[in-house]
This record gives sequence, structure tokens and C-alpha cells, in this order.
Amino acid sequence: QVQLVESGGGVVQPGRSLRLSCAASGFTFSDYGMHWVRQSPGKGLEWVAVIWYDGGYKFYADSVKGRFTISRDNSKNTLYLQMNSLRVEDTAVYYCARDICTNGVCYGQDSWGQGTLVTVSS
Amino acid sequence: SYELTQPPSVSVSPGQTARITCSGDALPKKNAYWYQQKSGQAPVLVIYEDSRRPSGIPARFSGSSSGTMATLTISGAQVEDEADYYCYSTDSSGNHGVFGGGTKLTVL
Repeated sequence: QVQLVESGGGVVQPGRSLRLSCAASGFTFSDYGMHWVRQSPGKGLEWVAVIWYDGGYKFYADSVKGRFTISRDNSKNTLYLQMNSLRVEDTAVYYCARDICTNGVCYGQDSWGQGTLVTVSS
Repeated sequence: SYELTQPPSVSVSPGQTARITCSGDALPKKNAYWYQQKSGQAPVLVIYEDSRRPSGIPARFSGSSSGTMATLTISGAQVEDEADYYCYSTDSSGNHGVFGGGTKLTVL
């Protein structure tokens, strides 16, 4: 079955860096676009970034542009999020989710991981 | 930046119809998606491309879109439908995603 497992979260000081990973299994990873979505404690969902199935295009939310980098390794079925210059307001659970458009239909983010918590605090 | 607007809360009695709206300027040209999130869990897709229902989602969930507003309808809401519901779409470029602020559905 489809499985997405995030890892790499933890406690980090403001200004430092952290890299999140999302290991995919149970589907052809290289066919899917992948998103990072975050949720601050007690708050709503916030879209963070997307990478196309082949890594050819990447797009970011204004709140993370220039600080975060999304990437993927299709040979390892793994998605990454490199987070630099972290701020207190980046504290959140970070989810990865897959996405596909095929035959003119865009199915949305139909599978999500369970998330990994990132806490930015001094 | 682009925004989607949802009501903070909706409340219905069991068996009633719940409607949750989502407004955004790009919705006439961009599809809306709806996600259900129960406490402590990851979101679950309940509607894609405005009105399509993924396999495994009960038929009481339906979606529609007209002009700048998309609507999630739960016909005959059940207690187990209590959750936060989020709409999702993209800006006019199609490259940047955005979630609505979320609507807390209470069924009691």
C-alpha cells in the first residue's frame, strides 16, 4: 500500500538549518509530483512547496522562498526539504503528500505522511 | 498573495446537511480540493477537481463550484464527520498552492 514516512524533525535554534526527508513506497514515486505542507500548533494547513515528478520545476510559498529548498531522488524514492535560516514561525508539523495529473485529471494530494515536528526555539 | 476564505465554524445536528464554503478570486479558472482532518491525524482528500469523490469516500460528501465560490456539502452528516475541513486550490499561475483557513464542523 501507499506509504509516505517523514523524518528529520526536531528542535533547532533560530538561524540554524534542518533537512527533512520523506520516504515513499507502494507506488511509482517518479510518476508523482510531491508537496510539503506544514501546520503550526493549533493552526491551519499551509502549503510550503511543490516539486514536479522529474524535479524539473519547483515552486515555493512566499514565506519560505529563498530559505527552503525542495528536492527529490527518484532512485531512492525520497523527497527532501532543506530548511535554512529557520525562524520561530517555522515551528510546525511538516507533511509530505503526493500529487498527480494524468489524462487531463488532477487528483490532488491523495496520500499524506503522518508528519514530522520541527520546533524552532532558542 | 492569493487567499481562500472559509467560515471558521459550521454546526449541524446529525442527519442534517452541512455546507462549507470557500471563496477565492481564481476559483472560476482553478479547481478546488477538499480535505478532512480529524484531531491528531493527517489530512484526507474527500473531494478533488471541484466535485469528484475519491474511492472510499462516502457518497454523502459532494462538492460544487460556481464563480468564485466552491462548496463542500455533507448530506446527512454523521457524528464521525466532525473534523476540520480545508479547501485547497492554486493561484492564477497554477504554480503556487494555497489552503483556506479551515472550517471546524461540529455535528451534535
